[in-house]
Amino acid sequence: DAGVIQSPRHEVTEMGQEVTLRCKPISGHDYLFWYRQTMMRGLELLIYFNNNVPIDDSGMPEDRFSAKMPNASFSTLKIQPSEPRDSAVYFCASRGDPREQFFGPGTRLTVL
Amino acid sequence: AQSVTQLDSHVSVSEGTPVLLRCNYSSSYSPSLFWYVQHPNKGLQLLLKYTSAATLVKGINGFEAEFKKSETSFHLTKPSAHMSDAAEYFCVVTQNSGNTPLVFGKGTRLSVIA
Repeated sequence: DAGVIQSPRHEVTEMGQEVTLRCKPISGHDYLFWYRQTMMRGLELLIYFNNNVPIDDSGMPEDRFSAKMPNASFSTLKIQPSEPRDSAVYFCASRGDPREQFFGPGTRLTVL
Repeated sequence: AQSVTQLDSHVSVSEGTPVLLRCNYSSSYSPSLFWYVQHPNKGLQLLLKYTSAATLVKGINGFEAEFKKSETSFHLTKPSAHMSDAAEYFCVVTQNSGNTPLVFGKGTRLSVIA
């Protein structure tokens, strides 16, 4: 298996633009997680899905953030409109059975 | 509720000397415990895990950790540090049964001096 795949790996955009981050989990995994990592706040859980259904989105910082999982092999995290304080590394992770969680390589987002 | 406390934010060792990264956990349930490593500008990689089997767990790259229930600890050790071990290390806890999110510690940055 190729592991968790994220795209793009780097994204530079201007304030106010829409940003879409993509994730392909490991095949057969039924849990998918989105995290954000910054120097100031460390690693934060934004939202997670079980069998494509959002279970807990309490970590999503604002209404500008939304996430979807239309099928078992694809998820998106969208920021609209983006702001400079959204600059961070965004990780996607998936978990199957046994409860080992695997992380993608991350998307480094810079909002100017 | 579950939480982890990594007792040191930064540890510095000389190459070839032992590594000890300390972690204490709190869990209302029987826990599963993990150590993840993150090298600079990379994703998080699973080093090792404890899920109620053997209390001494061996991981990749010569690392191991011992689950001590009486001390609520899960310290990470390695007999001899290598330059390539320099990274950020995260101690993680979750509930052993069921599927709850991982709870991460704040991380310990390991520096290895030549």
